[in-house]
Amino acid sequence: QKEVEQNSGPLSVPEGAIASLNCTYSDRGSQSFFWYRQYSGKSPELIMFIYSNGDKEDGRFTAQLNKASQYVSLLIRDSQPSDSATYLCAVFPWRNSGGSNYKLTFGKGTLLTVNP
Amino acid sequence: GAGVSQTPSNKVTEKGKYVELRCDPISGHTALYWYRQSLGQGPEFLIYFQGTGAADDSGLPNDRFFAVRPEGSVSTLKIQRTERGDSAVYLCASSLIGTPSDTQYFGPGTRLTVL
Repeated sequence: QKEVEQNSGPLSVPEGAIASLNCTYSDRGSQSFFWYRQYSGKSPELIMFIYSNGDKEDGRFTAQLNKASQYVSLLIRDSQPSDSATYLCAVFPWRNSGGSNYKLTFGKGTLLTVNP
Repeated sequence: GAGVSQTPSNKVTEKGKYVELRCDPISGHTALYWYRQSLGQGPEFLIYFQGTGAADDSGLPNDRFFAVRPEGSVSTLKIQRTERGDSAVYLCASSLIGTPSDTQYFGPGTRLTVL
């Protein structure tokens, strides 16, 4: 089982709709979770981070974390064509997980296309 | 302030050659990370520095890969006897202190092509 899994997409939504991006992780002790946006040919840029169960909202973006289900999601409201990019889910492990304590583990990313 | 910078932006080399990739982190950031990203994949961890020392090099694929950060700022990733499979975008990231709650900021990457 891969450590961080995302649907590769592409996910296509019309402008103004809600885009829902999902991510599951295998390390139950993971403690922090990040969503990065990556435009084609560019480097990842941080969109949101979340550490606690529940929802966290920032503008049009809402991150949702459910540690019991090992599931984290990103909702983008009022999607815009400029939101078209690959969205990477990244997980920071628990300190005593036995593996690296310091690396972010990324999923493959979900390609989102927002159609005007 | 300036972000993470990486040079060169593109590097084309021949199989068997030696290459060096440079990363200049955000000023004041003690933690520095190297990742490698292949087409269609997420970034893959290579090595993490805390100050001058490599705190975790578990992601380096083999002994052809080596990285240094002698003064705790600029880092160089060195690849010996390059192979075609080394072709990828090499990303550097830095964070303030390297804790799990710390945001990692990425540089623009170096696209390495091994012919």
